[in-house]
Amino acid sequence: EPEVTQTPSHQVTQMGQEVILRCVPISNHLYFYWYRQILGQKVEFLVSFYNNEISEKSEIFDDQFSVERPDGSNFTLKIRSTKLEDSAMYFCASSALGSWETQYFGPGTRLLVL
Amino acid sequence: AQTVTQSQPEMSVQEAETVTLSCTYDTSESNYYLFWYKQPPSRQMILVIRQEAYKQQNATENRFSVNFQKAAKSFSLKISDSQLGDTAMYFCAFPAGGGSQGNLIFGKGTKLSVKP
Repeated sequence: EPEVTQTPSHQVTQMGQEVILRCVPISNHLYFYWYRQILGQKVEFLVSFYNNEISEKSEIFDDQFSVERPDGSNFTLKIRSTKLEDSAMYFCASSALGSWETQYFGPGTRLLVL
Repeated sequence: AQTVTQSQPEMSVQEAETVTLSCTYDTSESNYYLFWYKQPPSRQMILVIRQEAYKQQNATENRFSVNFQKAAKSFSLKISDSQLGDTAMYFCAFPAGGGSQGNLIFGKGTKLSVKP
């Protein structure tokens, strides 16, 4: 069964450093999402992406964040100048046709900013 | 504003018994859908079940079923014959705009422990 994959599974970085989180969505899916979950809290939407541009973004997704689909398979989330409060689990998700379709989540990347 | 509320932070159940997790939501949309996701200790988000609001029949997936009460805006998850592997956080989720927007709004979750 096709699944969303994410790398790395864990990332430790120093405050102020840049990190890139990578995702490979399900191959025939067209809509991609990033969510985050701070430890002990609920999952929060960051951004959605379709047709090589951002569809929607939340208030959390400020200038520190960017997304990109550099090739036909990868979908990346870049966090510039990481802060302590960026420590969280970051989930990538994809759906086939967009807003009315089920989103399938990857296993997550656990980011720790020291 | 659209909200999703899970009022049970933690629950426990004996193996083989049945447990019901509650979820209420608030929306002005008439057509939408709802999800339950499971997050085991590995923290991966796994889809459990989906319900379309226009369907009167409650969704069922093996031991998992929902009780969808549209008028009451209630969407509870029933787990029958609970198994140790059901131990996880369970999140109710609802698409912003009912479905016209893609981003999901999640409840705070219910931590379910299945005891042997």
